[in-house]
Amino acid sequence: QKEVEQDPGPLSVPEGAIVSLNCTYSNSAFQYFMWYRQYSRKGPELLMYTYSSGNKEDGRFTAQVDKSSKYISLFIRDSQPSDSATYLCAMTPSYNTDKLIFGTGTRLQVFP
Amino acid sequence: GAGVSQSPSNKVTEKGKDVELRCDPISGHTALYWYRQSLGQGLEFLIYFQGNSAPDKSGLPSDRFSAERTGGSVSTLTIQRTQQEDSAVYLCASSKSSGQETQYFGPGTRLLVL
Repeated sequence: QKEVEQDPGPLSVPEGAIVSLNCTYSNSAFQYFMWYRQYSRKGPELLMYTYSSGNKEDGRFTAQVDKSSKYISLFIRDSQPSDSATYLCAMTPSYNTDKLIFGTGTRLQVFP
Repeated sequence: GAGVSQSPSNKVTEKGKDVELRCDPISGHTALYWYRQSLGQGLEFLIYFQGNSAPDKSGLPSDRFSAERTGGSVSTLTIQRTQQEDSAVYLCASSKSSGQETQYFGPGTRLLVL
């Protein structure tokens, strides 16, 4: 079993929809949680970064961490065709913050 | 400023040949990371450098894989006697320092082993 599980999708939604992307994990030592966005044939770029539990909002994006359930989410409001990409969750424990552990990524398609 | 660059962008090689992949980090970034992205596997950590030292090589899949970094800048990932299962996208990232700093990724090198 992988340390981080993520549904690969694809997830197809109409423009303007609210998108929910999720990851579950098994290592209770994970403390730092990230969401990366990766466009086709490009490298991943950091979208959101959260430490421990709680919510964080940045524009149309909201990241949530529920450590008791070992579950993290990324919500995208008013989704746009330009949001079409693969979204990867990543996390690290506090004792080794250099080695990012990634989910497999969820491919999102937002159609006009 | 310039981001992380990698070369070549694509590489096709024959099974059994050696390949070298190059990464140029963002200027001034002391930490450098290599990851591998295979279909359906997500990104897997391979190795990271702080300066020219590699404190964590735990992700290198076999002794056919090695990496070095010189002058605290450019890094080379070498795969000897390539196998078909080595086919993947090899991504490099750099950050200002090790620890909880944002890792900035390059576009990757797409390796195909025939």
